[in-house]
Amino acid sequence: EIVMTQSPATLSVSPGERATLSCRASQSVSSNLAWYQQKPGQAPRLLIYGASTRATGIPARFSGSGSGTEFTLTISSLQSEDFAVYYCQQYNNWLGWTFGQGTKVEIK
Amino acid sequence: EVQLVESGGGLVQPGGSLRLSCSASGFTFSSYAMHWVRQAPGKGLEYVSAISSNGGSTYYADSVKGRFTISRDNSKNTLYLQMSSLRAEDTAVYYCVKDQGVLWGQGTLVTVSS
Repeated sequence: EIVMTQSPATLSVSPGERATLSCRASQSVSSNLAWYQQKPGQAPRLLIYGASTRATGIPARFSGSGSGTEFTLTISSLQSEDFAVYYCQQYNNWLGWTFGQGTKVEIK
Repeated sequence: EVQLVESGGGLVQPGGSLRLSCSASGFTFSSYAMHWVRQAPGKGLEYVSAISSNGGSTYYADSVKGRFTISRDNSKNTLYLQMSSLRAEDTAVYYCVKDQGVLWGQGTLVTVSS
C-alpha cells in the first residue's frame, strides 16, 4: 500500500498570506495525485487532480505542483473561506486510493 | 442534477449487519467506477472499497476485507455496501464517490455500539 504523508499537521496563516502544504508518497505515483478541501460537516471537495489541474470552478489562487513522490498545494492569498482541512490522495491504481492524514489550515 | 445520495446508515450493535445504498443521478452511472470512503468522527479519510463500471472488479481495504461487500445495479443507478460483522471501529460517515473524486455524496453515518 502506498502511504501518503502530509506536512505540517496544522498551518497557521493570516488572511491574505500564502499557504504551502506538502504531501509525500512512499513510492512514485507519477502525477496521479489529487487535493481535496473539507470543511466541518461537509463532504470533501476536489480542488486539484493530475497533481496540477484545477477542478471545475476552483479559483486560480489554488495551485498544485510536483510529480513522483513530492507534491505541493499552494494557496496564493488565503481568503476566509479557505480555512479548512486539506487532504492529498493518490490514485496511481484506480483500485486502492490512499489519503494523507490531512493538514488543517487555521487562522493565525 | 448531478448528485449522489447515500442512505441506510444508523445505529447497529457490534457483530450486526447493515446495507448502505448510494443513488446516482445526472450522469451515466454505468460508465464509471465507484468508491466508498469513510471518515470516523474527528478523523481523516479512509478508503474502503471500489467497484469497476460493470461490477467485474472489486477492491477492499484490509480493514474491511471479508466483512464488507460492494456491489452495484446499473439498471437502478445504485451502488451498495453490505457490511457485516460490524465493529466499533467501523463507526464513521460513509461517502460514496464517483470515480476520479469529482463527485461525493453527503455521507451517511454508521454507528456501531451496544
